[in-house]
Amino acid sequence: AQRVTQPEKLLSVFKGAPVELKCNYSYSGSPELFWYVQYSRQRLQLLLRHISRESIKGFTADLNKGETSFHLKKPFAQEEDSAMYYCALSTGSGNTGKLIFGQGTTLQVKP
Amino acid sequence: KAGVTQTPRYLIKTRGQQVTLSCSPISGHRSVSWYQQTPGQGLQFLFEYFSETQRNKGNFPGRFSGRQFSNSRSEMNVSTLELGDSALYLCASSSARGRLDTQYFGPGTRLTVL
Repeated sequence: AQRVTQPEKLLSVFKGAPVELKCNYSYSGSPELFWYVQYSRQRLQLLLRHISRESIKGFTADLNKGETSFHLKKPFAQEEDSAMYYCALSTGSGNTGKLIFGQGTTLQVKP
Repeated sequence: KAGVTQTPRYLIKTRGQQVTLSCSPISGHRSVSWYQQTPGQGLQFLFEYFSETQRNKGNFPGRFSGRQFSNSRSEMNVSTLELGDSALYLCASSSARGRLDTQYFGPGTRLTVL
């Protein structure tokens, strides 16, 4: 079964503390993974994708196929990072694509 | 470029009615996907359209249908509405490179079924 699991509904940290948002997936094929973010009163938007191996707004995520994980990390949280974060797995055959989302984790960064 | 737009933004219907939601993708994007977002089930994929053809479908009953027009605009229709259909319906467009694509989301249509 294709599934994405984000075990934490809420993660609360203080400004300047490290952040790790957990994401585990279940997929028999080669996974394409993304993190999407939704800031308050804004639309859902892409934060980063594993294939790009980039750092966006200080966030990074490494695909660990052995542990089937794609955790999102940031060494020093900022208040503006407070948002809802969704891990997503892209599936589909050929050149099609559909996203399977985790339940989301609300990150709350306290001053 | 203008972002993905969805109309209407809010909708209230009663059980048994049907509803049509509209999505205009980013200019040049040919793929449109629809998602249902609820507090209990989260974000769930409904279907994807490309070149006026449905090429991916999620696990929703046949009451949920969609179509895409030649200008890539898409509509989704829900017939015989049930209370459980109350949700935020999101549309996303992409340039249709497949699994590697970034999907760009609209603001959503909030459907309330009474």
